[in-house]
Amino acid sequence: DTGVSQDPRHKITKRGQNVTFRCDPISEHNRLYWYRQTLGQGPEFLTYFQNEAQLEKSRLLSDRFSAERPKGSFSTLEIQRTEQGDSAMYLCASSFTGTGLSLYFGPGTRLTVT
Amino acid sequence: DQQVKQNSPSLSVQEGRISILNCDYTNSMFDYFLWYKKYPAEGPTFLISISSIKDKNEDGRFTVFLNKSAKHLSLHIVPSQPGDSAVYFCAAFTGNQFYFGTGTSLTVIP
Repeated sequence: DTGVSQDPRHKITKRGQNVTFRCDPISEHNRLYWYRQTLGQGPEFLTYFQNEAQLEKSRLLSDRFSAERPKGSFSTLEIQRTEQGDSAMYLCASSFTGTGLSLYFGPGTRLTVT
Repeated sequence: DQQVKQNSPSLSVQEGRISILNCDYTNSMFDYFLWYKKYPAEGPTFLISISSIKDKNEDGRFTVFLNKSAKHLSLHIVPSQPGDSAVYFCAAFTGNQFYFGTGTSLTVIP
């Protein structure tokens, strides 16, 4: 297992369409996070899972956004009725609650809404 | 509100010299701090972390210093190399969440 993977790497969609992104975390990691990043900003928290349970969602996450992590393995992030303001890099990260603390990011999915 | 701040958007350093990247935070409940490096079109790469019970952690050319009374941490890179040119983010952790700064773009000049 070489790290966190995300698919697709790039997505161009028209406004109003639905998109779904997938994240495969590092296999032994029980925590999974979704972040959004725009130019000149740091990663912005969207939501967090511990195993299959979604424990926290940002207030910034509108009801057009939904995330799942069935069976506590991979996760999907869906955006319904996309808007131009949704254009950003969507980052997935995973973490293990053991000795010390770290958070490992995937390569991200670049979403462009036209 | 921005709980983690990186007030220098950019920094240029000569190859071989020390790079010092700074980060300030406001929440005294943060119990872990991390530094990440990011190249364009890639996800952030974890560099080094420090627990709030320590004041220094070293890993090769990278050293992180934590000053809890000043709510300040810094990343020292010695010696700096051209391959270190990237955007560096500091992050802080409490509860279940990580909070990120806005990043500092480091350019190491050969």
